Amino acid sequence: EAGVAQSPRYKIIEKRQSVAFWCNPISGHATLYWYQQILGQGPKLLIQFQNNGVVDDSQLPKDRFSAERLKGVDSTLKIQPAKLEDSAVYLCASTPNAGTYEQYFGPGTRLTVT
Amino acid sequence: DQQVKQNSPSLSVQEGRISILNCDYTNSMFDYFLWYKKYPAEGPTFLISISSIKDKNEDGRFTVFLNKSAKHLSLHIVPSQPGDSAVYFCAASAIRSGGSNYKLTFGKGTLLTVNP
Repeated sequence: EAGVAQSPRYKIIEKRQSVAFWCNPISGHATLYWYQQILGQGPKLLIQFQNNGVVDDSQLPKDRFSAERLKGVDSTLKIQPAKLEDSAVYLCASTPNAGTYEQYFGPGTRLTVT
Repeated sequence: DQQVKQNSPSLSVQEGRISILNCDYTNSMFDYFLWYKKYPAEGPTFLISISSIKDKNEDGRFTVFLNKSAKHLSLHIVPSQPGDSAVYFCAASAIRSGGSNYKLTFGKGTLLTVNP
């Protein structure tokens, strides 16, 4: 069974530029999560999708971050414009459904904003 | 407001000895607890979990203990192996109001180093 795929693995941009991350969850997993992990911190949930609907985006900075999961499969997370404090690893995770505790994580995208 | 706390940023143990990683939480609504292991440049991988109705769960070399009255859990690794060297995250889950889906809250992690 293929795991959660993410791309790119690394990205360096200048502040005020835009960036997009892509995630393909495990096949058949209805629930998809995006996390932000700042160095020295634990992952922080940004947004949770159930199929193509948003379950929780309470911690997503909506003035600059957006995410979509149009067909209920893969998802993109966008930052526009980026700030220095957005430098972090962005992790995507999935579960078969929203009632499953154990989440399966992808390798993450390391973003550096200069 | 940090609801899940891992107060030891790092821990170093000798191969073959016991590793004990600790985690404290403040939210009494948490009903399920998980430990994740993370190697550099990889995503976290699920290790072991425990429901709030239990006080111990064991899986091979890994045992998690839960003390609800103290709002404390610990992960024991016996015997420790060099391949166990990684960052360990404690996570806690609470059901969202009005639904059956869960949100994980993570601690900051503890870097475990097992020396040969």
